Amino acid sequence: QAQLVQSGSELKKPGASVKVSCKASGYTFTNYAVHWVRQAPRQGLEWLGRINTDTGDPTYARDFAGRVFFSVDRSVSTAFLQINGLKSEDTAVYFCVRSWVELCLGPRCVFDVWGPGTLVTVSS
Amino acid sequence: DIQMTQSPSAMSASVGDRVTITCRASQGINNYLAWFQQKPGTVPKRLIFTASTLESGVPSRFSGSGSGTDFTLTISGLQPEDFATYYCLQYSTYPWTFGQGTKVDIK
Repeated sequence: QAQLVQSGSELKKPGASVKVSCKASGYTFTNYAVHWVRQAPRQGLEWLGRINTDTGDPTYARDFAGRVFFSVDRSVSTAFLQINGLKSEDTAVYFCVRSWVELCLGPRCVFDVWGPGTLVTVSS
Repeated sequence: DIQMTQSPSAMSASVGDRVTITCRASQGINNYLAWFQQKPGTVPKRLIFTASTLESGVPSRFSGSGSGTDFTLTISGLQPEDFATYYCLQYSTYPWTFGQGTKVDIK
């Protein structure tokens, strides 16, 4: 069955960078976009953006554009999230989630499969 | 950007209660709305998509309604396992946006 597996927890100092991976299996990787969603401690869900895994075209939420970067390696069905210039406020669990690559209304179209989440802690 | 205003932010309810959570979009999103349930320390679980389509395996006491800008998640007969936080998500237009969440706890 479809699955997303993420890399392990990270502890970083302020100003550093982090790169989180999300490996897909059990489905055709390029049929689905990979989105990134984060959740700070005791806070709600926040959409960072998404990447079209077929074309590599990214879309970023306004608050993260310029500091967050998405990429894919289609040869290993893996998407990546890189955050530069980490701040303490970036401490959160980062989830990768899939949705059909095109806007649609069916069951495959929105967040049916989630990764387990990667805890990124930013602390001096 | 489309803002999703979810209410209430928290509520206390008893087993067997009927619970209603609303999400209002700042502009029309047709039926591009999903509802998720999240329990502490776990991954969000999709309950409803396309505003009113129940996810396979989700109990029928959960239902969704609405179109355009106003949407509702209803739990008819709250069960102990339903105490959790619920989020709406609009996926009509980028950036996709979540509601702030509604925490349902035990009265």
